[in-house]
Amino acid sequence: AQSVTQPDIHITVSEGASLELRCNYSYGATPYLFWYVQSPGQGLQLLLKYFSGDTLVQGIKGFEAEFKRSQSSFNLRKPSVHWSDAAEYFCAVGARDNYGQNFVFGPGTRLSVLP
Amino acid sequence: DAGVTQSPTHLIKTRGQQVTLRCSPKSGHDTVSWYQQALGQGPQFIFQYYEEEERQRGNFPDRFSGHQFPNYSSELNVNALLLGDSALYLCASSFGQVRYEKLFFGSGTQLSVL
Repeated sequence: AQSVTQPDIHITVSEGASLELRCNYSYGATPYLFWYVQSPGQGLQLLLKYFSGDTLVQGIKGFEAEFKRSQSSFNLRKPSVHWSDAAEYFCAVGARDNYGQNFVFGPGTRLSVLP
Repeated sequence: DAGVTQSPTHLIKTRGQQVTLRCSPKSGHDTVSWYQQALGQGPQFIFQYYEEEERQRGNFPDRFSGHQFPNYSSELNVNALLLGDSALYLCASSFGQVRYEKLFFGSGTQLSVL
């Protein structure tokens, strides 16, 4: 069964600073990988996904993530953080043949942005 | 075009009671999945409904049950509530059972069990 770890429970950055949120996964084959964002009182919104091909994927709101097979990682990055980026970020991994029980979320990283 | 809607937004129950949460999928979607998100945790898959049948189930006890109606809306029922059932319950819809990137989430129902 697949699993996801997000080593950082809470990260604080200053507005305009760069950001990197870490995600490591465990899965026997090449997985589908995702980053979601959850603002207070909101549902989960898909930021970006990796299925195959180019290991650097671009998402919405200026986010990007890089798949590194050798490190089993899928870290999320943004070059310049905006105050509106403050939210909870979840990395998720899915099996290629299905979702549902095989779609697993990490515990999340809470991002705070200082003015 | 309405997205995934869930009701109620908040709910308070006491131990031992039963609760029903409701979800209307995004227009055009026919598959509904339910997730439990405990405080400080990522969402955990409860089960998925497609064509009015439970198709997949996560590691949750039988106290958690569901239903899907002909209009694709869905209910999540939890019997004999425990304090540990306090969580945000998220509904997600899609067209068909696969295609992760087409999964749309509602804002959730916050359940508090006292």
